Amino acid sequence: QLQLQESGPGLVKPSETLSLTCTVSGGSVSSSSHYWGWIRQPPGKGLEWIGSIYSSGTTYYNPSLKSRVTISVDTSKNRFSLKLSSVTAADTAVYYCARPMYSSSLQPFDYWGQGTLVTVSS
Amino acid sequence: QSALTQPASVSGSPGQSITISCTGTSSDVGGYNYVSWYQQHPGKAPKFIIYEVNSRPSGVPDRFSGSKSGNTASLTISGLQAEDEADYYCSSYTRSSTLVVFGGGTKLTVL
Repeated sequence: QLQLQESGPGLVKPSETLSLTCTVSGGSVSSSSHYWGWIRQPPGKGLEWIGSIYSSGTTYYNPSLKSRVTISVDTSKNRFSLKLSSVTAADTAVYYCARPMYSSSLQPFDYWGQGTLVTVSS
Repeated sequence: QSALTQPASVSGSPGQSITISCTGTSSDVGGYNYVSWYQQHPGKAPKFIIYEVNSRPSGVPDRFSGSKSGNTASLTISGLQAEDEADYYCSSYTRSSTLVVFGGGTKLTVL
């Protein structure tokens, strides 16, 4: 059974860089031919797709965040990561990592991590 | 503002049926059969319940069904049960540069 687990600091200061990692178990980020995605949800609000990465390193980003986002994959550790720079309070959200049901497709997402709350505050 | 428009809330009594709409454009909902729906209980990750407009993943009860007409997709839940009380989100592929869009979510209250 595929499992995803987010990890990283729960508190980030304004203007700094948010860094999260999603560790995959029960499957391989390199051999599954899937994209691996990040989605966030501000408190009390809806879902927003941040971006996705393929095992080859090909990335797609939400244009609204593209200038600040970097998603990378570490096949040796079977995990992928999110960096979001120059954060503000508006970036406070629960961040989820997820995998789409189809290989070579960006959505829909059938496997999700439990989510991790990141608060941007000084 | 979300790319897909959903009603903020709907309600129904146990045993009844409800429908949640999801309105987009010809660039997303209307142009492709890549509409999916998610159920989210408080404090939990979203759960995938409908894909490709009207297909159900294994394990999802057939009380949940999806449809689409023009630029509007719909999720219908029949025989409402107390555990159906949750937030529901639609999502679609879009040919815009955004690629993946979600609706703003609908809170379902089971009276």
